[in-house]
Amino acid sequence: QSALTQPPSVSGSPGQSVTISCTGTSSDVGGYNRVSWYQQPPGTAPKLLIYDVTYRPSGVPDRFSGSKSGNTASLTISGLQAEDEADYYCSSYTSAATRVFGGGTKLTVL
Amino acid sequence: EVQLVESGGGLVQPGGSLRLSCAASGFTFRSYWMHWVRQAPGKGLEWVARMNGDGSNTKYADSVKGRLTISRDNPKNTLYLQMNSLRAEDTAVYYCARDLRFCRGTGCDTIDAFDIWGQGTMVTVS
Repeated sequence: QSALTQPPSVSGSPGQSVTISCTGTSSDVGGYNRVSWYQQPPGTAPKLLIYDVTYRPSGVPDRFSGSKSGNTASLTISGLQAEDEADYYCSSYTSAATRVFGGGTKLTVL
Repeated sequence: EVQLVESGGGLVQPGGSLRLSCAASGFTFRSYWMHWVRQAPGKGLEWVARMNGDGSNTKYADSVKGRLTISRDNPKNTLYLQMNSLRAEDTAVYYCARDLRFCRGTGCDTIDAFDIWGQGTMVTVS
């Protein structure tokens, strides 16, 4: 199972919006609405931000939103804040009943 | 408080073995699918293995199949990862993680997303 494809890095200024893409295949991202997103600040465990493509767990700000088109899922962070600086990972259920992560994207808040 | 606490990491020689533990508390452990996820130093997350609530169903990443074994002891609220024939590329922080689960009046559904993570335990193969 190959890792999902994410851009290595993105950046934005406070208050702006950024979008992180996550590209897979019809055997994972494109085949199921089971994409999730995680935020991982340095030296900490990942935190769930989005599940089933678009849903936010309680406690996650609505500045974080998810979407999907074909084999590509996206995470959009609006109203960027300094504390959003972290690594972000997507994950998907696969046709083999396993999970696969993206390679991760480092978000820099300028 | 819902919590996962890993232990058992350390330094091991290539070809050696190690058993990781993940102690769960604050929730009905036997009802949840559980996973192991690892992260090599400076690298991204890699899904390793998963097990359903009663231990009857397991899946592994191709990179660990035949060498790493996931198991659980529900009365002890503990998840395990037995690691054999270890290689340098198994060096990583190992996290246990729980699948999200929603319960409504008619029943409960497991969602394919990791909602609770442990703090991780470091395994170094050298």
